[in-house]
Amino acid sequence: AQSVAQPEDQVNVAEGNPLTVKCTYSVSGNPYLFWYVQYPNRGLQFLLKYITGDNLVKGSYGFEAEFNKSQTSFHLKKPSALVSDSALYFCAVRDKPAGFQKLVFGTGTRLLVSP
Amino acid sequence: DAGVTQSPTHLIKTRGQQVTLRCSPKSGHDTVSWYQQALGQGPQFIFQYYEEEERQRGNFPDRFSGHQFPNYSSELNVNALLLGDSALYLCASRSGTSGTDTQYFGPGTRLTVL
Repeated sequence: AQSVAQPEDQVNVAEGNPLTVKCTYSVSGNPYLFWYVQYPNRGLQFLLKYITGDNLVKGSYGFEAEFNKSQTSFHLKKPSALVSDSALYFCAVRDKPAGFQKLVFGTGTRLLVSP
Repeated sequence: DAGVTQSPTHLIKTRGQQVTLRCSPKSGHDTVSWYQQALGQGPQFIFQYYEEEERQRGNFPDRFSGHQFPNYSSELNVNALLLGDSALYLCASRSGTSGTDTQYFGPGTRLTVL
């Protein structure tokens, strides 16, 4: 079964520093990977996705993610963190490439950016 | 362009009662999925609707049922509520069955069962 793991419950970073939120995946076949962000009492907002192609994916709000097939990782990155980036981040994988699929989510990583 | 909308925002019920949650998909989307997000957890897939039929179902009991209407909006019904059903219920929509389409989520309905 497809799955993702987010090894860190929380990541702390100072404003202006680069940030990385880690995600590893386990899939059969080609992975379809996603990052979503959740602000308090809000739904999930789509940040970016990897389907195929360039290993560096650029997304919303200055975020990017690096797909690494050999390490089965899809880490979320941002060159310079903002206090407003503080939120809950979820990595997800689609359970199959087409047809009626569902998203399988990780447990989430809380990002705290200090001023 | 309106995104995914859900109603109500919050709901408080007691054990044994029944609840109906509603979702309107993003404009142009015809596929609706429902997820349950318990406190401190990632969202868990409940089921997905397309062309008014349930197409895929997660590991949830039959107490959880749904419906999709001709205008693509959807309802989630939960019968015989348990304390453990307290969660944020998220609706997501996308267009068709293409494997590359992104699912967009609504703000969720916070259900509290007392």
